[in-house]
Amino acid sequence: SQKIEQNSEALNIQEGKTATLTCNYTNYSPAYLQWYRQDPGRGPVFLLLIRENEKEKRKERLKVTFDTTLKQSLFHITASQPADSATYLCALGDTGRRALTFGSGTRLQVQP
Amino acid sequence: DTGVSQNPRHKITKRGQNVTFRCDPISEHNRLYWYRQTLGQGPEFLTYFQNEAQLEKSRLLSDRFSAERPKGSFSTLEIQRTEQGDSAMYLCASSHGQGVTGELFFGEGSRLTVL
Repeated sequence: SQKIEQNSEALNIQEGKTATLTCNYTNYSPAYLQWYRQDPGRGPVFLLLIRENEKEKRKERLKVTFDTTLKQSLFHITASQPADSATYLCALGDTGRRALTFGSGTRLQVQP
Repeated sequence: DTGVSQNPRHKITKRGQNVTFRCDPISEHNRLYWYRQTLGQGPEFLTYFQNEAQLEKSRLLSDRFSAERPKGSFSTLEIQRTEQGDSAMYLCASSHGQGVTGELFFGEGSRLTVL
């Protein structure tokens, strides 16, 4: 069955460092992948989209890579700030259906 | 445009009661989704509408769950004969109708607690 794995353990880093979050998937051939941020008690907020034919996407301090051979996406936040502390969700989509399939998310804690 | 609106934000009910949640999507969005999220998990897909047509339902969606989008605008999600396992955050999202990779705009969710 399709499976999306994100590190369930919280990632703790120091302010100013680069945070790297991992999203691995199996039994899936997504056409695109999205990353969302979710704060406690709030709905997820879209951050970035990357398609299967793209290797890397950037937006301000955010960078996403997508390796369809490794079946993995990496999400980087450079120069991290305490305000970046949140849960980050990856979501996979394909052209056959409209619904995204979400991973369980990784909680990031940036220490001042 | 005030974004996706969900009501009520919180609902506490006794087992066996029926509950209904409402979602008002962003006005120009013709796609609407319902997801369920439990603590420590990602959103789990329930159902999807394009305009008023319900085009996809999760196999996990019990027949106690029903969703409607009668005029292609707001949507309701009803849970009949609630069970304690239904306790979760119910998230609504909407998106543009163009393309297949559109980002989802989520509401703040409706938290259900079944006692």
